[in-house]
Amino acid sequence: AQTVTQSQPEMSVQEAETVTLSCTYDTSESDYYLFWYKQPPSRQMILVIRQEAYKQQNATENRFSVNFQKAAKSFSLKISDSQLGDAAMYFCAYRSGGGSNYKLTFGKGTLLTVNP
Amino acid sequence: DSGVTQTPKHLITATGQRVTLRCSPRSGDLSVYWYQQSLDQGLQFLIQYYNGEERAKGNILERFSAQQFPDLHSELNLSSLELGDSALYFCASSPYAGGNTEAFFGQGTRLTVV
Repeated sequence: AQTVTQSQPEMSVQEAETVTLSCTYDTSESDYYLFWYKQPPSRQMILVIRQEAYKQQNATENRFSVNFQKAAKSFSLKISDSQLGDAAMYFCAYRSGGGSNYKLTFGKGTLLTVNP
Repeated sequence: DSGVTQTPKHLITATGQRVTLRCSPRSGDLSVYWYQQSLDQGLQFLIQYYNGEERAKGNILERFSAQQFPDLHSELNLSSLELGDSALYFCASSPYAGGNTEAFFGQGTRLTVV
């Protein structure tokens, strides 16, 4: 079974600074997807960024980028120019690319605080 | 707004009771997923339906059941409720059963069992 580990329960960053959230995963599959979801106090789960395992290029979405190290099974999220609205719980998630089960397996989450 | 609608937003009920949570997927999405988020277990996959049929099952208790109707909305039924069932229950939907698509989440139903 796949597992996702987020080793940082909490992180903090100053507004306008850069922060990196860590995520490692364990899988024997070669075809899969990785995601970062954001959960603000509103509870809504919002997709921040996704990465296909077959792509070597790291995904980027505006101020959000990932460092995908497939051999190390590492998938970190970098938030640049942090804003107060970035404060939320961030979840790393894994999904198989094949077979018939497309469930998301989540890490425990990292609570990000942005200080003004 | 993700386009996924869950009702009710909040639910308080007593132990031993039965409740039904409802989910309307995004227009055109055929696949519905249910997840449970609790403090001790985190976010866990419960069950997936695709076009009316059960596609995958996760850590769903026997007291829980779900179905997807012809209009593609889904319901999660929780019975013989226990204090430990208190959690946030999410529904998510995607166009297909998998592939290169992503799931969009509803705002969740907060269930409190007293």
